[in-house]
Amino acid sequence: DAKTTQPTSMDCAEGRAANLPCNHSTISGNEYVYWYRQIHSQGPQYIIHGLKNNETNEMASLIITEDRKSSTLILPHATLRDTAVYYCIVRGSYIPTFGRGTSLIVHP
Amino acid sequence: ETGVTQTPRHLVMGMTNKKSLKCEQHLGHNAMYWYKQSAKKPLELMFVYNFKEQTENNSVPSRFSPECPNSSHLFLHLHTLQPEDSALYLCASSPGQGIGEQYFGPGTRLTVT
Repeated sequence: DAKTTQPTSMDCAEGRAANLPCNHSTISGNEYVYWYRQIHSQGPQYIIHGLKNNETNEMASLIITEDRKSSTLILPHATLRDTAVYYCIVRGSYIPTFGRGTSLIVHP
Repeated sequence: ETGVTQTPRHLVMGMTNKKSLKCEQHLGHNAMYWYKQSAKKPLELMFVYNFKEQTENNSVPSRFSPECPNSSHLFLHLHTLQPEDSALYLCASSPGQGIGEQYFGPGTRLTVT
């Protein structure tokens, strides 16, 4: 599976959009981009995934660049409860590997 | 509520004890996973089961012994653990190995004294 690079930490004001970037320049054609988050001391939670088209669900939007070498997870109106570690994972047919992710802190 | 439950949520055990962690999924998935998460470290994959068969053992010491009696249940049997085994143990499931998103349980916080 392709390797991903994410910023170690970010912060965002409550009510504003949180845009979390991820680089995956070695992604191959059949690999999906997955996003999970982990709130402190809980199990990771699936957020969204995509292959090449932008995706949106009730939690977030996923924007994947045309060359698929990077993506951005967007939380449109961040709340304090969105404070968590966000993991970007690229995987094909194998088991996803979780890196260190981005620690997002949403402040009042 | 993710459809994956783990018991107990907290466990304190001595180094000579034997205990078991239990995971159950109500999602109809065929793959189940054990992960270990030590303080301030990424998740480490331990074991994978697909259709009840173990397909991955990520060089885990033999003091951790997994068991998967059916696709809905997964156990982790613990014996003669070390203090460095203290961690959050997470169970996950997915429709198949490497297929679909993973759903995680809340984890068991294990402390070895």
